[in-house]
Amino acid sequence: QKEVEQDPGPLSVPEGAIVSLNCTYSNSAFQYFMWYRQYSRKGPELLMYTYSSGNKEDGRFTAQVDKSSKYISLFIRDSQPSDSATYLCAMSLARDDKIIFGKGTRLHILP
Amino acid sequence: DAGVTQSPTHLIKTRGQQVTLRCSPKSGHDTVSWYQQALGQGPQFIFQYYEEEERQRGNFPDRFSGHQFPNYSSELNVNALLLGDSALYLCASSSTGGNEQFFGPGTRLTVL
Repeated sequence: QKEVEQDPGPLSVPEGAIVSLNCTYSNSAFQYFMWYRQYSRKGPELLMYTYSSGNKEDGRFTAQVDKSSKYISLFIRDSQPSDSATYLCAMSLARDDKIIFGKGTRLHILP
Repeated sequence: DAGVTQSPTHLIKTRGQQVTLRCSPKSGHDTVSWYQQALGQGPQFIFQYYEEEERQRGNFPDRFSGHQFPNYSSELNVNALLLGDSALYLCASSSTGGNEQFFGPGTRLTVL
């Protein structure tokens, strides 16, 4: 079993829809949870950073962490064509620790 | 603030050669981590440098080595290149005790 599982997609949704992306993980010791966005041939860009369980909202993005289920989610409201990218879930045991990434989900927002 | 910068952008090498990739961290950051991202995969942790020492290492062979300089910039060296070393190499920087790692644009290495 891989440490972090993420459906690679691709996921295609119409513009304006709510997008739901998620990951599961196996190591209950993970404390820090992140979502990165990566455009083609670019480096990952940090979108959301969450410590432990709970929700965090930033504009159109909401991150949820459920440590009891070992499940994290990213919701994108009012999706735009510019949101089309690969979304990587990531987690670490501690601050400054190595980051363990999922494979990434390719998202296409259709105009 | 220039953010994390990496050079070169692209590189083509042949099997058996050696390569050096460079990274300058974001201003104020003192910790540098290197990741390898194969096509269609998430980044894989190679190692992390802090105070010019390797602090953590992932599951990569000794052909992969690194260095951090007093100005916090870093190099990744790969010896005896294999076809499977073709990937995007990412550098990430962070500050001690900080929460977030910021990534550079990467160096795309192609091994022929």
